[in-house]
Amino acid sequence: QKEVEQNSGPLSVPEGAIASLNCTYSDRGSQSFFWYRQYSGKSPELIMFIYSNGDKEDGRFTAQLNKASQYVSLLIRDSQPSDSATYLCAARAAYSGAGSYQLTFGKGTKLSVIP
Amino acid sequence: GAGVSQSPRYKVAKRGQDVALRCDPISGHVSLFWYQQALGQGPEFLTYFQNEAQLDKSGLPSDRFFAERPEGSVSTLKIQRTQQEDSAVYLCASSFRNRALTDTQYFGPGTRLTVL
Repeated sequence: QKEVEQNSGPLSVPEGAIASLNCTYSDRGSQSFFWYRQYSGKSPELIMFIYSNGDKEDGRFTAQLNKASQYVSLLIRDSQPSDSATYLCAARAAYSGAGSYQLTFGKGTKLSVIP
Repeated sequence: GAGVSQSPRYKVAKRGQDVALRCDPISGHVSLFWYQQALGQGPEFLTYFQNEAQLDKSGLPSDRFFAERPEGSVSTLKIQRTQQEDSAVYLCASSFRNRALTDTQYFGPGTRLTVL
């Protein structure tokens, strides 16, 4: 059973602080990882993806991947009230026939940025 | 330049009714996915199409669920004899090819199905 685990939160941070969102995955065959943001009642929208060990930065967002620990994280710097949403971590396995290609999602972490 | 569209946005069905949910992917996207998202949960995979071929239907919860994409573009997810446990948001996503590690799935707005 491929699983992606996230702390459901809520995670509350003050405006301007760094929000740290964490995710672990069970399938060692997972090769790329995606962070989606989902506002209440809306569909998931991609923030960024990562597939190499280490850090990847995009604006205020930094994704971190440690394949040995099967751990992925997302840091949001200078958090804004508009960042308040549920953040979904998803893992994509390598091709291995039927059952591949799809994303396995965690339950999401609800982030609340307090003005 | 339109994104993924889905219709209807909201559907209320009486238990036992059949429903059909439509997805129109981004033009040129070969891969199409259906996910089911229950309240407070992450999306869960239902089925995957590459063009008109349904390559993976391992996530469909029962034989009451059926999906098709006959011409490799628009897809329909059909649920027969709906049950209350089918109440969820049904999300459609498409990606260009889904072969590269970085191929991104873009989601539609979803159809919120409520079964009474």
